[in-house]
Amino acid sequence: DGGITQSPKYLFRKEGQNVTLSCEQNLNHDAMYWYRQDPGQGLRLIYYSQIVNDFQKGDIAEGYSVSREKKESFPLTVTSAQKNPTAFYLCASSSLGAYNEQFFGPGTRLTVL
Amino acid sequence: EDQVTQSPEALRLQEGESSSLNCSYTVSGLRGLFWYRQDPGKGPEFLFTLYSAGEEKEKERLKATLTKKESFLHITAPKPEDSATYLCAVHGDSSYKLIFGSGTRLLVRP
Repeated sequence: DGGITQSPKYLFRKEGQNVTLSCEQNLNHDAMYWYRQDPGQGLRLIYYSQIVNDFQKGDIAEGYSVSREKKESFPLTVTSAQKNPTAFYLCASSSLGAYNEQFFGPGTRLTVL
Repeated sequence: EDQVTQSPEALRLQEGESSSLNCSYTVSGLRGLFWYRQDPGKGPEFLFTLYSAGEEKEKERLKATLTKKESFLHITAPKPEDSATYLCAVHGDSSYKLIFGSGTRLLVRP
C-alpha cells in the first residue's frame, strides 16, 4: 500500500534535548512538507522540500531543522532552541506542481516534560 | 495577505439533519481549494480539490461547492461516523504553500 508513515506516534522530550521525527513516503512524490498543529489553530508550515538536497523555510522554521537526502525521507529535528515544542506534528507529500493536493501522514505528538 | 476563515467553529447535528460548513477565503489568484477530514489524533484525510468558481464535487454524503469568495461543504443526512474536524485550505498565486483554516468540529449525534 502506498502512503506516508511517521514515527514515533508519541514522543516525550526533556528540556534541552534535540529530538528527530521520522517521515517516509512511498508515493513517489517529489515534494514533502512538515506542519505543526496546535489546538484550535490551523496547520502551520515549518519546512518544505521540492527536491532532494533542497529545502525551504516555512512560516515557523525557528528552532527546527530538516534534511532531504533521499526522495522518500524528510526527517524533522526539533532542537532545544524551539521554545514551545509541545504540539502535533504532521508530515505531508505531493506531486511536484504547486497546486496539487497534499497527502498527510498519521502524525507525531511531541510532549516536553 | 492570503487568509482562510471557517465557520462555524463547532457544529452539533442530529443524525439525518443536513447542514453546511463554510470556508471563506481571500487569496491572490486562487489556484486550488482543498477540503480535508481529520479525526482526533490522526492526520488529515484528503476529500476534494476545487479549482474554479461554479465547480462542485461529491463523495457519499458530502458535496463541496466553490464561489469566488467561499466554499461550502454540504453534508446530507449525516451519520455519527461523519463526526470529525473538517479543514479547508487554499493555494494562491503568491505562495507555494497551503493556507489552512482553523477547521469546523462536527459532532453528529445518533
